[in-house]
Amino acid sequence: DADVTQTPRNRITKTGKRIMLECSQTKGHDRMYWYRQDPGLGLRLIYYSFDVKDINKGEISDGYSVSRQAQAKFSLSLESAIPNQTALYFCATSDVPGLAGSPANTGELFFGEGSRLTVL
Amino acid sequence: AQSVTQPDIHITVSEGASLELRCNYSYGATPYLFWYVQSPGQGLQLLLKYFSGDTLVQGIKGFEAEFKRSQSSFNLRKPSVHWSDAAEYFCAVGVGSARQLTFGSGTQLTVLP
Repeated sequence: DADVTQTPRNRITKTGKRIMLECSQTKGHDRMYWYRQDPGLGLRLIYYSFDVKDINKGEISDGYSVSRQAQAKFSLSLESAIPNQTALYFCATSDVPGLAGSPANTGELFFGEGSRLTVL
Repeated sequence: AQSVTQPDIHITVSEGASLELRCNYSYGATPYLFWYVQSPGQGLQLLLKYFSGDTLVQGIKGFEAEFKRSQSSFNLRKPSVHWSDAAEYFCAVGVGSARQLTFGSGTQLTVLP
């Protein structure tokens, strides 16, 4: 099984609908992230969470919300989807950079396989 | 804020040829640097990373990258490309104690038989 699992993998919806993308991880990492990928733009950070009680906006948080239900679960919601939210969404996790006992830990990201969302 | 530039949107090479993908960053200090690869329909996989020490780092699948502070670059290289290397490649920069990553826009690699 994958260490970072995203559901659904593909979703087609209509403008105005509420959509939730879910992410779960078995890596035991505290940090979780949601990114959006668009052609020619790379990956842009939507929200990130450093622990269950910590939620932070990223570069492009407008129109999105998140919930960190547990250390292992981080969901992304589109309250009222619009066509320009059509994209590939990635969940990622990381350990804490420079964590004691792993000084070489650079906080690299581990990605899920992505959720392709189409808003008509 | 830091930024990452991948000047080549698309590169085409023949199988067996050498490869170099360019990455330039903008940041006042030495950042943490990463190269990720994304195969079609897949998530991103880490190829290699640099955080200190030897400026030439080795990664998986025969890739290497060299950090050049004077040029603010971290170019990815492979001496002989295989057809399975066709994918999109992303350079990323992490800075500060939080080490959040900023990604470049990606370079799509096509490998000709």
